[in-house]
Amino acid sequence: ELKVEQNPLFLSMQEGKNYTIYCNYSTTSDRLYWYRQDPGKSLESLFVLLSNGAVKQEGRLMASLDTKARLSTLHITAAVHDLSATYFCAVDVGGSEKLVFGKGTKLTVNP
Amino acid sequence: GAVVSQHPSWVICKSGTSVKIECRSLDFQATTMFWYRQFPKQSLMLMATSNEGSKATYEQGVEKDKFLINHASLTLSTLTVTSAHPEDSSFYICSRREGVSYEQYFGPGTRLTVT
Repeated sequence: ELKVEQNPLFLSMQEGKNYTIYCNYSTTSDRLYWYRQDPGKSLESLFVLLSNGAVKQEGRLMASLDTKARLSTLHITAAVHDLSATYFCAVDVGGSEKLVFGKGTKLTVNP
Repeated sequence: GAVVSQHPSWVICKSGTSVKIECRSLDFQATTMFWYRQFPKQSLMLMATSNEGSKATYEQGVEKDKFLINHASLTLSTLTVTSAHPEDSSFYICSRREGVSYEQYFGPGTRLTVT
């Protein structure tokens, strides 16, 4: 059974600081997704990582994937308040298109 | 713009009644769609895979007689919560995958409250 672990689950940081969210998964997969969820809303796609060594960046967020280590990271650079949200990683189950989600990281960026 | 829509966005029903939630793929004919459930302050859990023209595939622990899924066309999947109880109150979200990009698009979600 595929398990996906995120840490930290809660992250409070100051504006302007950098931090990294980690996503570990238990079985082989070549597809990893990062999503953002605002309170009361559905998921907004941030990144799709499809191969070992994949790195994608959008604004202050950068995601990477190491399939050998079964690890993905979401790095936040110079955080701003607008980044406050819950971030989920999700892993495709053996190419089935079904996703298993981590528990989410609730990020709060304080002025 | 949105590629997956859901209706209704929120619904309140009484215990024992049934509720139907629609999920539409707006720009792509989807033979497969997915239904997830999210309890407050928790993660998303896959409930079932909706297959156009055939029976849905349910995840372990999900009651198929309680959560009826119908995928009657390539653009519409429906989830019916039968004999709803307060513990069924949740946020229900559907999704579909983009053809070649592997992108997964999620609908806006339906918040169900059972009183």
